[in-house]
Amino acid sequence: DAKTTQPPSMDCAEGRAANLPCNHSTISGNEYVYWYRQIHSQGPQYIIHGLKNNETNEMASLIITEDRKSSTLILPHATLRDTAVYYCIVATGRTGANSKLTFGKGITLSVRP
Amino acid sequence: KAGVTQTPRYLIKTRGQQVTLSCSPISGHRSVSWYQQTPGQGLQFLFEYFSETQRNKGNFPGRFSGRQFSNSRSEMNVSTLELGDSALYLCASSLGLAGVLRQFFGPGTRLTVL
Repeated sequence: DAKTTQPPSMDCAEGRAANLPCNHSTISGNEYVYWYRQIHSQGPQYIIHGLKNNETNEMASLIITEDRKSSTLILPHATLRDTAVYYCIVATGRTGANSKLTFGKGITLSVRP
Repeated sequence: KAGVTQTPRYLIKTRGQQVTLSCSPISGHRSVSWYQQTPGQGLQFLFEYFSETQRNKGNFPGRFSGRQFSNSRSEMNVSTLELGDSALYLCASSLGLAGVLRQFFGPGTRLTVL
C-alpha cells in the first residue's frame, strides 16, 4: 500500500507556480520522499527526492516540513508540457530486499493556457 | 546515453497463450525492475533483478516470472494469459547500488489479451 496521500487533481495557469501537496504522516526516519511524474502514454520520470532538507534541481523544488509528515513539490513556472500525473512516494534508499517504489494514485496536474 | 528500451512496444495475444517481454537497461545499470500498470490498479511492482538474481518481488501469481542476463538485459514472461493481464508493462533500470532509488523507466509494452 502507498504510504502517501495526495489530492486527486489540481490545475494551474501556464507560467505560474504549481504547488503539489503530499501527506506522509507515517514516514520513518530512514525513508526518503520521492517524486515521479508520468506524462500520458509514457513511462514515469524521476523528478526529485529528499530526506529532510529542502531540495532543488533544474526541474523542481521539494519542500519537506520539519516533522517530515508532509511535503510540497513546486514547479516554479508550469508549462503545458508539465501536464501529467505526479506521484509522491515514500521509500527507503537501496538498503535491502524491501527497497522498492510503491506508486499510489498520484495527483493529476492540468496546466491551462 | 541511450535510455531504457523495451520490445515489443505493442502486443496482442489470446487467453491461454504465453508472452515474453524484453528490456534493455541504460548502459552501466545493473538493476532492472518491472511494473504492471492498469487503469484499475495503477502502477504495481512485479519484481526486481540485480546481477542476474531476483532481489525483490511483488504480489503477483507465479504465472509472472522474469530473468536477467549477464549483460543486465531482462525478460519477463507471463504464462497462461488471462484477460486481466492486459496492461502496460514498464521496465525501469537503475545503478542498483546502495543509495537513492532513482529509476529510469522505458516507454513500456502495451499488452492486449483477447
